[in-house]
Amino acid sequence: EMQLVESGGGLVQPGGSLRLSCGASGLVLSGSWMSWVRQAPGKGLEWVANIDDDGSEKHYVDSVKGRFTVSRDNAKNSLYLQMKNLKAADTAVYYCARCPSNNPQACGFDIWGQGTMVTVSS
Amino acid sequence: SYGLTQPPSVSVSQGQTASIACSGDKLGDKYAFWYQQKPGQSPVLVIYEDAKRPSGIPARFYGSNSGNTATLTISATQAMDEAVYYCQAWDTSTAVVFGGGTRLTVL
Repeated sequence: EMQLVESGGGLVQPGGSLRLSCGASGLVLSGSWMSWVRQAPGKGLEWVANIDDDGSEKHYVDSVKGRFTVSRDNAKNSLYLQMKNLKAADTAVYYCARCPSNNPQACGFDIWGQGTMVTVSS
Repeated sequence: SYGLTQPPSVSVSQGQTASIACSGDKLGDKYAFWYQQKPGQSPVLVIYEDAKRPSGIPARFYGSNSGNTATLTISATQAMDEAVYYCQAWDTSTAVVFGGGTRLTVL
């Protein structure tokens, strides 16, 4: 079974940092664009960041630019999201998701993880 | 920045056809994708590249995309189809963008 599993969420104070990880089983992430998508409690989906198959191209939603960094380690079949200067507005479930296309304009997400909760609060 | 607009809610009687619209500037020139999310679960891709169904998605789900509107249509709607549905596209200015979601209620 193809599966993505996120980890690293938790409670952090405003201004703090957190690093999320996304591991894959039953599938190889190299060759695929990958994204982080978040969902605040009771709210809709918000795309956060994506990264191309070799890590050379990255994009971010404006609200996290300069604070979040997406990266990947294809040798470890893993995706990461380093989050700094966290704000209450960053509180959400964070999902990693795979785009099976190597064309970002055709990127739909066919595999999602179960999500990891990040709570930013004092 | 680019945005996608969906109605907050749609209601449909069981066995009837439900249509959920997603509007965005020249959306028909882009690929549209649709996701189903049930409470407490991760989203599931139900339509990709405007009108294609992933394996395992029932044939009663179909999509179209033209002009400024993409539409997800669910025929012979069943109680299990009750969920929130999100559209998604890619734009040069915003990269990936999601619509606000539409809660489908099956009466």
